[in-house]
Amino acid sequence: DAKTTQPTSMDCAEGRAANLPCNHSTISGNEYVYWYRQIHSQGPQYIIHGLKNNETNEMASLIITEDRKSSTLILPHATLRDTAVYYCIVRDKVGGGSEKLVFGKGTKLTVNP
Amino acid sequence: GAVVSQHPSRVICKSGTSVKIECRSLDFQATTMFWYRQFPKQSLMLMATSNEGSKATYEQGVEKDKFLINHASLTLSTLTVTSAHPEDSSFYICSAKEGPMGEQYFGPGTRLTVT
Repeated sequence: DAKTTQPTSMDCAEGRAANLPCNHSTISGNEYVYWYRQIHSQGPQYIIHGLKNNETNEMASLIITEDRKSSTLILPHATLRDTAVYYCIVRDKVGGGSEKLVFGKGTKLTVNP
Repeated sequence: GAVVSQHPSRVICKSGTSVKIECRSLDFQATTMFWYRQFPKQSLMLMATSNEGSKATYEQGVEKDKFLINHASLTLSTLTVTSAHPEDSSFYICSAKEGPMGEQYFGPGTRLTVT
């Protein structure tokens, strides 16, 4: 079972920031928070991941709360092409069975013109 | 990021026949590859994990004799759906892991339709 909970859907206006929340209250100390997205009928695309500190790359920013029980993915200037299902996943980076990615239902983000 | 390809992108086959789907890591060596299945309006479900040169590990409820996985090289894994039935129609997606501590990168998926 997925160890995260996310809202089923969200809407965002084009050009505005999209803030996607994720709860992972049972995360353990060595588990990372990963974000992937899936555009319709394509394979998932890696976005970003983090352990404790906030992270930023060319696609997005990841804000992790101090207690690590929740996080927020931020798309700073959403475009129509960002419309997708966004998955928040926790996983251990060490090998073995824990390297599996367990997908929950994700958040369907719709960016409106 | 690293590139993973799948072939074919879509396939239609008759009930009772077998279909092979290929997954390749194009610019890195993947010691571990994963196969997922996704039904319409549902999330990805992991079917099996394969390590190069060893037998695949199947998730509970996935028939290993029906979904044959071969990971004969560090850049290629194949999934063969044997004796396909209409209920096997789905979107099959592979991912490849770049090294023991690396990230997983996904292929574009294969749409299988069994008639």
